[in-house]
Amino acid sequence: NAGVMQNPRHLVRRRGQEARLRCSPMKGHSHVYWYRQLPEEGLKFMVYLQKENIIDESGMPKERFSAEFPKEGPSILRIQQVVRGDSAAYFCASSPAGNRDSPLHFGNGTRLTVT
Amino acid sequence: QKEVEQDPGPLSVPEGAIVSLNCTYSNSAFQYFMWYRQYSRKGPELLMYTYSSGNKEDGRFTAQVDKSSKYISLFIRDSQPSDSATYLCAMTGSGGSNYKLTFGKGTLLTMNP
Repeated sequence: NAGVMQNPRHLVRRRGQEARLRCSPMKGHSHVYWYRQLPEEGLKFMVYLQKENIIDESGMPKERFSAEFPKEGPSILRIQQVVRGDSAAYFCASSPAGNRDSPLHFGNGTRLTVT
Repeated sequence: QKEVEQDPGPLSVPEGAIVSLNCTYSNSAFQYFMWYRQYSRKGPELLMYTYSSGNKEDGRFTAQVDKSSKYISLFIRDSQPSDSATYLCAMTGSGGSNYKLTFGKGTLLTMNP
């Protein structure tokens, strides 16, 4: 019973390049959430998606960041023109439903390093 | 004042001891409280999930919530080497949305053999 799968585990990008992070939710889960963990900071909510819909993107930076969860395939967090401040661990979580009875289950994250 | 305060540690305890971890918070709207364990280079793993005030026990773990003091605790009995990890508290408000969690920065726990 695979958990939340994220890839790649580590990603190195030079400033100005694009970063694509992928997340496959647990089997049977249709709700996906992205969080970011900056060095010395707690995890911060970024975006909540269901299949083909963005439900809440209130935690996403206004520029350069986008997320999608297509009908087929994994959820993608895309960061364009990366800067050093984007270096962080990005965690994806999933749940079977978006209500209080469905606590989040996290993947092992993608660690992005911008050089 | 941060919404959730958590002592980063490190907290070093001997094996077999009772471990006490805690968080304070300022937002009275928080109703759901969680504790996650995070091993190095891994994702957070849900340990305990509680609603409102009271105690909840699961094996060696006990979670306590005191909403009047805005204070939550996690107790670990008979601590073991595998308990060495960072422990994150997280919480969210009412309204049916469980996903916008506010996390503490985490407390690093290490076990002394």
